[in-house]
Amino acid sequence: ETGVTQTPRHLVMGMTNKKSLKCEQHLGHNAMYWYKQSAKKPLELMFVYNFKEQTENNSVPSRFSPECPNSSHLFLHLHTLQPEDSALYLCASSQTRALSGNTIYFGEGSWLTVV
Amino acid sequence: TQLLEQSPQFLSIQEGENLTVYCNSSSVFSSLQWYRQEPGEGPVLLVTVVTGGEVKKLKRLTFQFGDARKDSSLHITAAQPGDTGLYLCAGVPTGGGNKLTFGTGTQLKVEL
Repeated sequence: ETGVTQTPRHLVMGMTNKKSLKCEQHLGHNAMYWYKQSAKKPLELMFVYNFKEQTENNSVPSRFSPECPNSSHLFLHLHTLQPEDSALYLCASSQTRALSGNTIYFGEGSWLTVV
Repeated sequence: TQLLEQSPQFLSIQEGENLTVYCNSSSVFSSLQWYRQEPGEGPVLLVTVVTGGEVKKLKRLTFQFGDARKDSSLHITAAQPGDTGLYLCAGVPTGGGNKLTFGTGTQLKVEL
C-alpha cells in the first residue's frame, strides 16, 4: 500500500468505447503523474500535474485526455483508442514537481486492453 | 537511442547466488534511483544516489553511483525468491528539465 490507489485494476475496451481511469492519492502530495508501461519499453511519462495545473504533456495523442479536479485526484479519459494503446497505466504522486530530493510513489496500475 | 540502458535484460538464477545489474548512459545525471516492481504492482523506490562514487547498502542490496554520475550498479548478495521482480533505474539528467527518465529494466527471477 503506497497511498496511491488506481481503479479499475483491469479494463478491456473496444476501439469505439469511452472509459476513464481514476487515481487517488492519500499522501497530501501536490504533483501527480500518468505513466505508460508497455512490454519491452521503458516507462513513459505521459502527463504531469502540479497543484492541479498541467505542467507537462509528453506528446501524448489527444485520444488520451487527463483531468485533475484537485491535488488528490487524477483521471485519464480514454476514447477511440488503438490496440497498440494496450498497456499498464501507472499513476504516481510526489510532494512537489521538483524531483530532486522527492520520492515518487506509484499506484498499482491499471491494465488496459484495447480490442 | 535509449538514455538509460540496463543489462542484463533478463536474469534467472538460483537462490543463494550473487548478481549485479548495470545501468549505463552517456549522459550525466544529477541523481539516480533504483526501483523494484513486482508482478501486478507499481514500481517501489529502493534507493536514491546523488553523489558520484556514492555507495548505499540496503540489507543484501548494494547500490553504487559511478564517479562521473553516468552509470550505476545494483549488486544483490545471496539472492532469495523474494528478490524476484523487475528492477528499474531512473535518473534526472543534468539540464534535463527535471524529467525523471527510466531505464529499460532488468527482469530478475530467483528460483529455489
